[in-house]
Parts: sequence; structure tokens; C-alpha cells
Amino acid sequence: EPEVTQTPSHQVTQMGQEVILRCVPISNHLYFYWYRQILGQKVEFLVSFYNNEISEKSEIFDDQFSVERPDGSNFTLKIRSTKLEDSAMYFCASSEPGGIYNEQFFGPGTRLTVL
Amino acid sequence: GQNIDQPTEMTATEGAIVQINCTYQTSGFNGLFWYQQHAGEAPTFLSYNVLDGLEEKGRFSSFLSRSKGYSYLLLKELQMKDSASYLCAVVSGSARQLTFGSGTQLTVLP
Repeated sequence: EPEVTQTPSHQVTQMGQEVILRCVPISNHLYFYWYRQILGQKVEFLVSFYNNEISEKSEIFDDQFSVERPDGSNFTLKIRSTKLEDSAMYFCASSEPGGIYNEQFFGPGTRLTVL
Repeated sequence: GQNIDQPTEMTATEGAIVQINCTYQTSGFNGLFWYQQHAGEAPTFLSYNVLDGLEEKGRFSSFLSRSKGYSYLLLKELQMKDSASYLCAVVSGSARQLTFGSGTQLTVLP
């Protein structure tokens, strides 16, 4: 069964460093999302991406964040200068185009620890 | 604004039935999902409601009332492996992004 994959599973970085989190969505999906979950808190929407551009973003997704689809398969989230409060689980999700029902399939997540 | 409320914790006994409620107030509504999340893992899909009424999938059922901004997830014949967090999520926005509740931590006791 097709699935969303994410790498790395765990990333440790120093405050102020740049990190890139990688995702490979399901191949025929066209909508891509990043969510984050700080330990013990709820899952929060960061950004959605469709047709090679950002379609929606939340207040969390400030100038420190960027997304890219560098080729036909990868979808990346970059944090330019990490802060302690960026420590969280980051989930990538993708969904099929069109229709009323478009379940978002989640990847296993990348645990980001900022020291 | 978006507001989704669920109970923080629930406890039930193996073999029993449990109902997890969710109320929401959101700007825009394109459906409601229930996800299951085990600690340290990704949310996994359980059910989706976009019209009023009950959707049944095996041991899991979900109900929606759009006029009341209310949904519930019903789990029957509880098993120990059902111990997890259950997330209510509303679909809204042009990108159909999910707005999640804080989740209900269900503990199933033997």
C-alpha cells in the first residue's frame, strides 16, 4: 500500500542552525501539507502546497519557514534559523485531488530537537 | 476563529463501548475527520463525515450534526490496543487543511 515517507526520523540541531525536513508524498497525490505537534499538545497546521505554490499557511509559518518541491517526488520544509520552541514532531501529509472526500495520509513524522 | 473541544481523558473497560464527543466552531466547514494517534506516531485515519448522520466502519462509528456543531466517535468491543489518543479534526479553508482538537486520551483497562 502506498505511504508517505519522511526523513530523517529524528533530527537534533543547535539553536540558530538551518534544518531541512524531507517528505516523499504518495505518488499520485497533488495536495501536500506540513503539520507540527509540540510534545503534549495538539497537531497544528503549518502550510499547504498545491500546483507548485503555497495555497494556505498559518500564523506559525513565518519568514523562518519555507517549503519546496525540488523535483517530482520530494517535498521539503526548511527552517532557516531554528529556535528552541521549534522542537516538535513535524508531520507531512498528502491527499488526492478533487472530490468531497480527500483523506490526508500522514507520514511517520520527523522529531526535531533544538538544543 | 477555530475552536474544537474534546474531553482530555477517558477510561473504559475491555469489551465495553465508549463514546468520544467533539464540538466545533469553525469558519468554514468541509467535513470532519476522526484520527487515532498512538504516542510518538502519526495520526491514522478512522472516519470521515461531511453530511449529517452516522457512518459505520466495523467497530468504529462516527456521527455528525452540522447544525449543532457536534460529532462523536463510538468505539465498540473495546480492545487493549484501542488505548490511544483520538483526534477530532475539521476540514476548512481553500486548501482543505485540518484543524485539530487537542485529542482525547483513551485508556482501556482489562
